[in-house]
Amino acid sequence: DTAVSQTPKYLVTQMGNDKSIKCEQNLGHDTMYWYKQDSKKFLKIMFSYNNKELIINETVPNRFSPKSPDKAHLNLHINSLELGDSAVYFCASSQVPLSNEQYFGPGTRLTVT
Amino acid sequence: DAKTTQPNSMESNEEEPVHLPCNHSTISGTDYIHWYRQLPSQGPEYVIHGLTSNVNNRMASLAIAEDRKSSTLILHRATLRDAAVYYCILIENNNDMRFGAGTRLTVKP
Repeated sequence: DTAVSQTPKYLVTQMGNDKSIKCEQNLGHDTMYWYKQDSKKFLKIMFSYNNKELIINETVPNRFSPKSPDKAHLNLHINSLELGDSAVYFCASSQVPLSNEQYFGPGTRLTVT
Repeated sequence: DAKTTQPNSMESNEEEPVHLPCNHSTISGTDYIHWYRQLPSQGPEYVIHGLTSNVNNRMASLAIAEDRKSSTLILHRATLRDAAVYYCILIENNNDMRFGAGTRLTVKP
């Protein structure tokens, strides 16, 4: 009965590869997000979707492409991975955009070698 | 480029109250003050949020200064499970949300 789940939990890959991280929430929320937490533990928002529509797109390389097939899923696809992409990526959801509490997934630790 | 300032770390004894301060001197009138915490190897967890009035919930209390330029998260009785990094965040109308470095709370038995 996990509220927000992410797969995989760990991802180790080489530079130049393409990879995806999946996120699912069973809370019935309308809004989902992707965050990146770097080695200094700063957490920065990357994208936000509300009812499958993109509402926030921070300054993120276009190698990162979110896909929301339905309200319960927000996947993150990354092309041509670079060393600097190594970080922990968190998915989150909330009932309404950013004005209410957010529920975070357990995170996906991406290591690019 | 977080808009809040928090001490890097704080210590508390178990069963004692903890007051975690946050300065946000450039807060705008429509910014909500949110607090999240992150336990080791876990995602952030919502704690509490408020706009102008003090707020209480089952986890904590939030005391907001009258001029809204600072706030304090109050854990009434710290437990070992409260050891985490606590983030104070301002959420604006443009939906921007950035976590800063937070305060690492250590709870001693």
